[in-house]
Amino acid sequence: AQSVTQPDIHITVSEGASLELRCNYSYGATPYLFWYVQSPGQGLQLLLKYFSGDTLVQGIKGFEAEFKRSQSSFNLRKPSVHWSDAAEYFCAVGARGLSGGYNKLIFGAGTRLAVHP
Amino acid sequence: DTAVSQTPKYLVTQMGNDKSIKCEQNLGHDTMYWYKQDSKKFLKIMFSYNNKELIINETVPNRFSPKSPDKAHLNLHINSLELGDSAVYFCASSQEGGHTDTQYFGPGTRLTVL
Repeated sequence: AQSVTQPDIHITVSEGASLELRCNYSYGATPYLFWYVQSPGQGLQLLLKYFSGDTLVQGIKGFEAEFKRSQSSFNLRKPSVHWSDAAEYFCAVGARGLSGGYNKLIFGAGTRLAVHP
Repeated sequence: DTAVSQTPKYLVTQMGNDKSIKCEQNLGHDTMYWYKQDSKKFLKIMFSYNNKELIINETVPNRFSPKSPDKAHLNLHINSLELGDSAVYFCASSQEGGHTDTQYFGPGTRLTVL
């Protein structure tokens, strides 16, 4: 079955520290992977996505993610966290719908990031 | 300009009522979606429409009926609201609805059923 697991429900880091948010997926075919961020009371904004090619992808706001097929992982990283990065982060895999042929996103449960000053 | 917009932003209603949420996208996309985010922040797809045609229906109760009058609009009507329908509902759109398409999300509608 298709699924996405984000093992960390809540992470707290100090401002300026590095960050890594974990994501593991289960999908039978080639995965198409996404990271979205949801700020409090806001909708979801795409940070980055992986379809093929270079396994290290760069996104907005200084984020990057690395696809590791052998580990079924797509972890999100940032070298230095800013207070404005406090938000909920969602990893997702693009999958075909039950009808076939069209995309649906399967989301992980999210990781809430808190940033200490 | 807002790419994907939803109205209303907040909706508070009584059990048993019927309500609608509207979604509009000005991105020229062919595919639109409804997702539900529950109280634990878990997001799950409900419906997807491509060119006004229903493509995905993820075992959602019949009380939920999406309607797409044109490619730019996908509305969600909910009959006989129940307490468990309380959630944040997100609309999204993508260019063609393929595997690799990026989905753009609206700001969400927070529905509270009392």
